[in-house]
Amino acid sequence: DTGVSQDPRHKITKRGQNVTFRCDPISEHNRLYWYRQTLGQGPEFLTYFQNEAQLEKSRLLSDRFSAERPKGSFSTLEIQRTEQGDSAMYLCASRRDTDYEQYFGPGTRLTVT
Amino acid sequence: AQKITQTQPGMFVQEKEAVTLDCTYDTSDPSYGLFWYKQPSSGEMIFLIYQGSYDQQNATEGRYSLNFQKARKSANLVISASQLGDSAMYFCAMPRGGATNKLIFGTGTLLAVQP
Repeated sequence: DTGVSQDPRHKITKRGQNVTFRCDPISEHNRLYWYRQTLGQGPEFLTYFQNEAQLEKSRLLSDRFSAERPKGSFSTLEIQRTEQGDSAMYLCASRRDTDYEQYFGPGTRLTVT
Repeated sequence: AQKITQTQPGMFVQEKEAVTLDCTYDTSDPSYGLFWYKQPSSGEMIFLIYQGSYDQQNATEGRYSLNFQKARKSANLVISASQLGDSAMYFCAMPRGGATNKLIFGTGTLLAVQP
């Protein structure tokens, strides 16, 4: 099964440290999304890539957050100088141009202590 | 702006019975779609079913069906013959519109299937 994969699945870090997450979308999917989900809430959109171009960023994505998708394949999401409020599940999703549905990965659960 | 409302924080259902999870939405777009996702305790969002606003018939996928009432702006998920493995969070979502089709989600309904 070549679904969306994310790495790591869990990350515990101390406040002030930098963390990086990786997302590998389904191979033929050129559209990639990052979402953040806090406890008791639905996912909230963070950013969107079409191929390698980052076309939209949410206001939730502060200057400490950066995302890349080199060569239009995998994507990384980096958080610098983590804060306790960054603790959440970070979900990646991908889809084809011709499909409506987004397929999600298993998520990376970040805990900032 | 689009908005999704799920008013049931939690639901119980007996195994093998049917259950309806409510979802209402608000949008000014003439054409839109609605999704339902399942999120087990493992965290992964699993796509269940999609309904387009111009689809003539309600969407069905196996035991899942969508009771789509456009005039009421509701898109309720019906799960027939509930199974223990159906216990999970269920989210209704719709694209916000524009080129990205980023999804906006409701707050979810936690379904517990009892033996």
